[in-house]
Amino acid sequence: DTGVSQNPRHKITKRGQNVTFRCDPISEHNRLYWYRQTLGQGPEFLTYFQNEAQLEKSRLLSDRFSAERPKGSFSTLEIQRTEQGDSAMYLCASSSNREKNTEAFFGQGTRLTVV
Amino acid sequence: AQKITQTQPGMFVQEKEAVTLDCTYDTSDPSYGLFWYKQPSSGEMIFLIYQGSYDQQNATEGRYSLNFQKARKSANLVISASQLGDSAMYFCAMREDTDKLIFGTGTRLQVFP
Repeated sequence: DTGVSQNPRHKITKRGQNVTFRCDPISEHNRLYWYRQTLGQGPEFLTYFQNEAQLEKSRLLSDRFSAERPKGSFSTLEIQRTEQGDSAMYLCASSSNREKNTEAFFGQGTRLTVV
Repeated sequence: AQKITQTQPGMFVQEKEAVTLDCTYDTSDPSYGLFWYKQPSSGEMIFLIYQGSYDQQNATEGRYSLNFQKARKSANLVISASQLGDSAMYFCAMREDTDKLIFGTGTRLQVFP
């Protein structure tokens, strides 16, 4: 297992188009998180799953954003009708349990540019 | 209100010297965890060190140590014997009762020869 994998690494899209990102977590991890990071900022929480259940969604996650984790394995994050403000790095992370001392392992992110 | 505050946008340190990166936090939850992550230019967030709110001793991991002052709500990262490869962004983060991590704005560390 090589860690958390995200695809694609880079995506350039025209405003108004839909985009979908994929995250493959570490195989034994039941928790999966999506974060968004804009230039000069720390990652901001978007949503997370425990197995296939989406347990929490941030207010940052507008109705144009949807995330799924079918069968509790990989996850997809879709952005519909992209806007220039959606340009950011989208980071996925996974962890094995709920204990506070459990670190989350991050992927290398998908950098989205909306032109 | 900011939950995690990192007041140093950038820091410089000479190779082999020690450097302290500041982090203060705000929470009313008695049980929480504090994390430091390193983000090189490749973008991946690399876990460095963890400190629990009930831990009696400061955490250490190799050249990394965490100076945890609970009353001051600070959790500063100390990197000893800096190396050129330590140049990166460093983020402090907190986990409260929910599962998500809350990150600060980061500190860019540059190590020079």
